[in-house]
Amino acid sequence: NAGVTQTPKFQVLKTGQSMTLQCAQDMNHEYMSWYRQDPGMGLRLIHYSVGAGITDQGEVPNGYNVSRSTTEDFPLRLLSAAPSQTSVYFCASSTGVNEQFFGPGTRLTVL
Amino acid sequence: AQRVTQPEKLLSVFKGAPVELKCNYSYSGSPELFWYVQYSRQRLQLLLRHISRESIKGFTADLNKGETSFHLKKPFAQEEDSAMYYCALSGHRSGAGSYQLTFGKGTKLSVIP
Repeated sequence: NAGVTQTPKFQVLKTGQSMTLQCAQDMNHEYMSWYRQDPGMGLRLIHYSVGAGITDQGEVPNGYNVSRSTTEDFPLRLLSAAPSQTSVYFCASSTGVNEQFFGPGTRLTVL
Repeated sequence: AQRVTQPEKLLSVFKGAPVELKCNYSYSGSPELFWYVQYSRQRLQLLLRHISRESIKGFTADLNKGETSFHLKKPFAQEEDSAMYYCALSGHRSGAGSYQLTFGKGTKLSVIP
């Protein structure tokens, strides 16, 4: 099993550009989440999904969209990138209240 | 609302000294508490969870409901313990009826040789 994979590992965007961060898991987990990690802020939940076709907002959803068309994939879309979205993004999956498995992260810089 | 507080941003200890990373939480129901660890430039991984009452890499943590704490302890710190440690709470999030993790801001542990 590959676990949770994320692409790309690094990305540099200009303000106003859009892009999609990819996340996939091969563990058949129902729950998937996106977090951003910023110094001194810990991890903050952006969006999450409890199954295919079901998504909901987390703590900091503004400027991001998600969709969950399959159990395996949970892409995160930045609609119009802003410097405030410079961060490290982690995707995670779980079977509910159990351990969350994290991806390796995507380091995004918005100029 | 659920909240996790880790009062120390940075904790430095000498090798062989005891370690205690503090975590306090606020939650109205029965929480599940976790400690996650992130070694330099690696992904987060679960260190331990209160429900399993395990000792992982010499670390233990006891849930104290009276003090709403879940402090992480190790009797003798090792250099390889240097990492970022996050306390997390799993509680019910209204709306979608799902359980999501709320993280503390993290404590960076530095073990001095």
